Amino acid sequence: GAGVSQTPSNKVTEKGKYVELRCDPISGHTALYWYRQSLGQGPEFLIYFQGTGAADDSGLPNDRFFAVRPEGSVSTLKIQRTERGDSAVYLCASSSDRPLTKNTGELFFGEGSRLTVL
Amino acid sequence: AQSVTQLDSQVPVFEEAPVELRCNYSSSVSVYLFWYVQYPNQGLQLLLKYLSGSTLVKGINGFEAEFNKSQTSFHLRKPSVHISDTAEYFCAVQGYTPLVFGKGTRLSVIA
Repeated sequence: GAGVSQTPSNKVTEKGKYVELRCDPISGHTALYWYRQSLGQGPEFLIYFQGTGAADDSGLPNDRFFAVRPEGSVSTLKIQRTERGDSAVYLCASSSDRPLTKNTGELFFGEGSRLTVL
Repeated sequence: AQSVTQLDSQVPVFEEAPVELRCNYSSSVSVYLFWYVQYPNQGLQLLLKYLSGSTLVKGINGFEAEFNKSQTSFHLRKPSVHISDTAEYFCAVQGYTPLVFGKGTRLSVIA
């Protein structure tokens, strides 16, 4: 597609369940980012991929969160044993540039996946 | 590390009035600065960015921002707003890490 696609757009789950959120970046973009946006807050960085590898995962809050990008395109954010505090909108973005070299590339964001943990 | 402070969480303004959304940043290295906009039920999109050169940068939809290094600010302005400008606006900074965002300012344009 033309833009970044995220599925599902909405996910309601129960506390303790496992959740997967998918991101399909813009074709050809090598950099992929996950951010989390809680109510009333700005996007908070979680993890960044350059190609297939996680170049920076310093934003992942704990070991219940994990993300993969096995073929350097689609990425999946995985959350184990979900907690009510995980409720947020999870944003994915892609870019054609390398951020850790102070690139000037624009990030293109998807519409997000809204996760609600009951 | 970098951080961003958006001084106003909400800004109501009448249609056709001017508006300024304030942003201050903190960084130990030189940075690039961005403003993103999020319309209701849509993803974030880039309004404008400062990389180098002229400190006054122009973006889409008539917005502009001025980089002030001495005051570590990057305030966003528009001389005359429209109803369609109602949205959430995020200031962001990039040093040697991925983008760091402020908490956002909700601009509400009143007819």
